[in-house]
Amino acid sequence: EVQLVESGGGLVQPGGSLRLSCAASGFTFSNFAMNWVRQAPGKGLEWVSAISGSGDATYYADSVKGRFTISRDSSKNTLYLQINTLRAEDTAVYYCAKARGSTRANYHMDVWGKGTTVTVSS
Amino acid sequence: QSVLTQPPSVSGAPGQRVTISCTGSSSNIGAGYDVHWYQQLPGTAPKLLIYGNSNRPSGVPDRFSGSKSGTSASLAITGLQAEDEADYYCQSYDSSLSGWMFGGGTKLTVL
Repeated sequence: EVQLVESGGGLVQPGGSLRLSCAASGFTFSNFAMNWVRQAPGKGLEWVSAISGSGDATYYADSVKGRFTISRDSSKNTLYLQINTLRAEDTAVYYCAKARGSTRANYHMDVWGKGTTVTVSS
Repeated sequence: QSVLTQPPSVSGAPGQRVTISCTGSSSNIGAGYDVHWYQQLPGTAPKLLIYGNSNRPSGVPDRFSGSKSGTSASLAITGLQAEDEADYYCQSYDSSLSGWMFGGGTKLTVL
């Protein structure tokens, strides 16, 4: 069974840092690009970051560029999101999602984890 | 403000047909990038509903269908059921923003 399980969320003070993890199973992890998508309380989905299957290409939404770093470890089948200089507006459920598609950009997200909650508050 | 525009809400009675629109521009849907749709039931993670404009993953009922024309796309749901009450999101790629975008989401209420 294809599965994604996020972890690492929690309550953090403004300006703090967190590293989110997403453990993947049931598919050849290195063959697929991966994404982080977040959802603030009561709001819609916001794509945050993506990384290629090989890990040599990364992409970020303007809202997080310079503060978030996506990475992956294929030996551990795990995706990461390092979040620095946290702000109140980063409070959200963070989902990891597997990409599937015909080209680098033209893809959909066919498998989603259940999410991990990040709360930024003093 | 999302680059993909969806109506905030739609509603319909059981058995009826509803459509949800997703309007983009020449840098996303109009540039030829595919549109995908996701269903998010209350308190759960999003689930892929339609991919590549009009394709259904295995297990998605054929009551759900998608289409795309020009700079817009639509999701149609026929034979509405109570279990269809959820939030629905469209998604595509935007070449100007160099990123993957979601619409603002549409809340479907089954009356």
